[in-house]
Amino acid sequence: DAEITQSPRHKITETGRQVTLACHQTWNHNNMFWYRQDLGHGLRLIHYSYGVQDTNKGEVSDGYSVSRSNTEDLPLTLESAASSQTSVYFCASSPPHGGEQYFGPGTRLTVT
Amino acid sequence: QQPVQSPQAVILREGEDAVINCSSSKALYSVHWYRQKHGEAPVFLMILLKGGEQKGHEKISASFNEKKQQSSLYLTASQLSYSGTYFCGTATQGGSEKLVFGKGTKLTVNP
Repeated sequence: DAEITQSPRHKITETGRQVTLACHQTWNHNNMFWYRQDLGHGLRLIHYSYGVQDTNKGEVSDGYSVSRSNTEDLPLTLESAASSQTSVYFCASSPPHGGEQYFGPGTRLTVT
Repeated sequence: QQPVQSPQAVILREGEDAVINCSSSKALYSVHWYRQKHGEAPVFLMILLKGGEQKGHEKISASFNEKKQQSSLYLTASQLSYSGTYFCGTATQGGSEKLVFGKGTKLTVNP
């Protein structure tokens, strides 16, 4: 069965370190998204991609970057982790034309 | 701009009904509804498109008022399994896959 996975599921890192969160989907979806979820804020879009070599900034993109070299993967990089980036991160993918988004299981990141 | 959901939280007894609202200050093309259980990922419930009809999913249905830029999610005869946080996600352009989510409505169904 097709699926979307994230790794690691839990990560503790120190302030200033570079961190990369992986997202891999086997749906063959062109569209992929990264969200962060914080209490009281819901899901906020960090970056998104509509296909290979395409990346776009979301509403809370400062301090984050993504690259899309193939259809299956959209890794999220925190260039220099900050305590404000402690959060739960969800990756999602969807078929074209605004269809249902399929969410990965999430990565809980703690920056100390 | 983030859509506004109301209420923020609701507590029901099994078998009771609930309505969750989602309002936007922008003209909407579509509204998505998702449910998230504690510690899990959001799961898709339904999409409502501009000019489309009311959608249903078992005992959960929804409507989309294009003039008011509002959507409502109706949960009838609630079950314990309906507990969770409900999010609406909105798109302002047709063919835009990008969504802006509300802050969520926490629904608790008690026996």
